[in-house]
Amino acid sequence: RKEVEQDPGPFNVPEGATVAFNCTYSNSASQSFFWYRQDCRKEPKLLMSVYSSGNEDGRFTAQLNRASQYISLLIRDSKLSDSATYLCVVNMKGGSYIPTFGRGTSLIVHP
Amino acid sequence: DTAVSQTPKYLVTQMGNDKSIKCEQNLGHDTMYWYKQDSKKFLKIMFSYNNKELIINETVPNRFSPKSPDKAHLNLHINSLELGDSAVYFCASRRTENSPLHFGNGTRLTVT
Repeated sequence: RKEVEQDPGPFNVPEGATVAFNCTYSNSASQSFFWYRQDCRKEPKLLMSVYSSGNEDGRFTAQLNRASQYISLLIRDSKLSDSATYLCVVNMKGGSYIPTFGRGTSLIVHP
Repeated sequence: DTAVSQTPKYLVTQMGNDKSIKCEQNLGHDTMYWYKQDSKKFLKIMFSYNNKELIINETVPNRFSPKSPDKAHLNLHINSLELGDSAVYFCASRRTENSPLHFGNGTRLTVT
């Protein structure tokens, strides 16, 4: 079983749509969770941290479900500029906490 | 005012050569990382240093040797390059174990 799993997609949605991604993780001792965005041939950039209480940043909402070991990202009112790969990052407990990436979910927003 | 910078941005070299990639961060972070992103886009951790001390060494061939002269620098030296080493290598840093990573803009290595 992969440590951090994501549906690779692609998710192909029209502008204005709402789209949601999930990410599951295997280690219940994990702490600190993040969503990153990566554009083609660029470095990953932090989109938002994820908290148990859920958090929102404009059109983006992130949620953590510790009991079921998954995190989610909801994007409302999709824009063309949201097209990118969305990476889930989980701080996995090893000797220290290791920031572990999922394989990413590709989002394509079309006119 | 770059936070995490790595050089070179592109590196094209032949099999068997030795090459280095440099990384510097001016964020005052204690922990630095090297990640490899292969052709399938999977970001895999290679090494981590905390305040110049190696704390994570994933299953990486010993042809790869990280060096941290101080906590603001983490360089990656690769001996006897192989075709399979072709990838994008990202340097990153973070302040604490619960902080997000800050990435450099990557080094695209092509081995011919």
